[in-house]
This record gives sequence, structure tokens and C-alpha cells, in this order.
Amino acid sequence: NAGVMQNPRHLVRRRGQEARLRCSPMKGHSHVYWYRQLPEEGLKFMVYLQKENIIDESGMPKERFSAEFPKEGPSILRIQQVVRGDSAAYFCATGEGLSYEQYFGPGTRLTVT
Amino acid sequence: AQSVTQLGSHVSVSEGALVLLRCNYSSSVPPYLFWYVQYPNQGLQLLLKYTTGATLVKGINGFEAEFKKSETSFHLTKPSAHMSDAAEYFCAVVYSGNTGKLIFGQGTTLQVKP
Repeated sequence: NAGVMQNPRHLVRRRGQEARLRCSPMKGHSHVYWYRQLPEEGLKFMVYLQKENIIDESGMPKERFSAEFPKEGPSILRIQQVVRGDSAAYFCATGEGLSYEQYFGPGTRLTVT
Repeated sequence: AQSVTQLGSHVSVSEGALVLLRCNYSSSVPPYLFWYVQYPNQGLQLLLKYTTGATLVKGINGFEAEFKKSETSFHLTKPSAHMSDAAEYFCAVVYSGNTGKLIFGQGTTLQVKP
């Protein structure tokens, strides 16, 4: 029974490029949360999605960041025109909903050079 | 604003000693409470959670936590530290009606000395 999968595990992008981070939920999970862990900071909520719907994007930066969770396939966090300040670990967590219990993936570590 | 405070960004204990990691939340309405552990370059693993019921919660790896409403606290303890417990620990809450998003404390790095 596979857990939450994220790929790539490490991603290096030059300033101005696009970054695409993927998250495949645990089997049976239909809720996806994305969190960001900046150096020397804690984990911060970014966005919460269910299949084909963004439920809560109150933690997403206003520009350059977007997320989707299509009917088929993984959830994708997309960062356009990356800047050095986007360098961080990005984690997705998935769950079944009302239990509030979330299972985390191993994270994608984004480095912007 | 809803927040979680972990007292002490670094805690150092000797192997075999008691582990106590502190967590306080700010809300008049008790949230759901969680402790997660993160090993270097890995994701977060759920140690234990409190939603309702018994206020003393037992988790994995010998950890437990007690919800104290009067103190708005959810401190994590383990009677005897093991070298493998060295990691970063995060307290997190979910507030009712808040779409289930976790609000994390700043984290506490636990060092275990031989």
C-alpha cells in the first residue's frame, strides 16, 4: 500500500524558469494539502484541494503560484518565473477528509540558482 | 490570530532521560491537536493526535501527550529517550471550521546525547 508520493524529490531551477511539483495521494485519499517549509521557518499552509476543486488557497502567494488536482492524475503545484526566495521544501499531505488526519509525502526540495 | 507556540527551538537530553517538548495553542475553542516528527530530508510522520475523548493520548515510538484545556497545552513526553529519537518535532492544530489545514508551531529540534 503505497504512501504519498512526490516527485521530483529534488529540483533545481534557474531564476525565471518554471517549477512543477507533483503529488500522488495515498490510495483512497481525495484531499490534498500543500505546505512550504522555508529555511529557518516552520511549515506554512499553502492550498487545499479536492478533485477538480480548490477549497482553500488562503496561503498561496498572490502571483506566480498555482495548484490543481485534476480528475485523473496527481496534484500539481506550479511556480512560474521562480525567484531565489522560492527555494524551500514543498510537502503535500493527503487525507480522507473529516478525520483531519493528514499523511505527508517525502517532499520536493526546490533550489533556485 | 490562531497560533501554535513551541517553547524551546532546541532541546537536549541524555539517552535514557525524560523527554518533554512543550506546545501551547491560542484559542478559546479547543482545536484538534497533532504531533509530527521529521527526520533529516524526510517528510513528516504522525506521532499522535487528539480529537476528542481521553486527554492522555499514546502514540508511536513510546511517545504520549496530554491535552490540558485549562492550560491550552498539549505537551509531548517520552519517559526514556533513545538515540533514534533525535529529530525535529512539530506541534500542529486544526481549528474547527478551518477547512482542515494544519497550523504548525516553529518546531523543536531534539538532540539526544549518549
